[in-house]
Amino acid sequence: NAGVTQTPKFRILKIGQSMTLQCAQDMNHNYMYWYRQDPGMGLKLIYYSVGAGITDKGEVPNGYNVSRSTTEDFPLRLELAAPSQTSVYFCASSYSTGGRETQYFGPGTRLLVL
Amino acid sequence: DAKTTQPPSMDCAEGRAANLPCNHSTISGNEYVYWYRQIHSQGPQYIIHGLKNNETNEMASLIITEDRKSSTLILPHATLRDTAVYYCIVGGYNKLIFGAGTRLAVHP
Repeated sequence: NAGVTQTPKFRILKIGQSMTLQCAQDMNHNYMYWYRQDPGMGLKLIYYSVGAGITDKGEVPNGYNVSRSTTEDFPLRLELAAPSQTSVYFCASSYSTGGRETQYFGPGTRLLVL
Repeated sequence: DAKTTQPPSMDCAEGRAANLPCNHSTISGNEYVYWYRQIHSQGPQYIIHGLKNNETNEMASLIITEDRKSSTLILPHATLRDTAVYYCIVGGYNKLIFGAGTRLAVHP
């Protein structure tokens, strides 16, 4: 199993540009998540999905969009990039059972908005 | 979700036990205690979780007090590769709220 994969590893965007961060998992997990991590800080939840076709907002959803058309994929869309979105983005997945869950994280995408 | 309090940093000598404390005084009855760690800039890695009872796996042990208001993660024989930021998280049900964690430095 490849686990959770993310592409690209690193990207530089100009202000106002858009891009999609890709995330895929091959563990047949029903739950998937997007986090961002600013320097020296903990992770903050952006969006999450409990299954194909179902998404919900996390702590910091503004400026982002997601979709979940398949169990495996959970792309994160930035429509109008802003310097405040410079961060490291982590995707994660889990199989949740009654409140107990173990999240598996991808290697991250470093995004720099100039 | 309950909030957690961890010391910002700790040191440990290689080969010794590392005991990382966490306070979670507002934990509710159905919330689990989770520990994750993040080595350098990698994605966080799950370590262990528990509800009431103490737990042990190949990586660590988790000691939860009887009133569940605090817990301790124990790395029995710390190595240099255990140098990382350790996050204590309380909650579940699809949402993990990460705080700043404890930066553990293991030195020779």
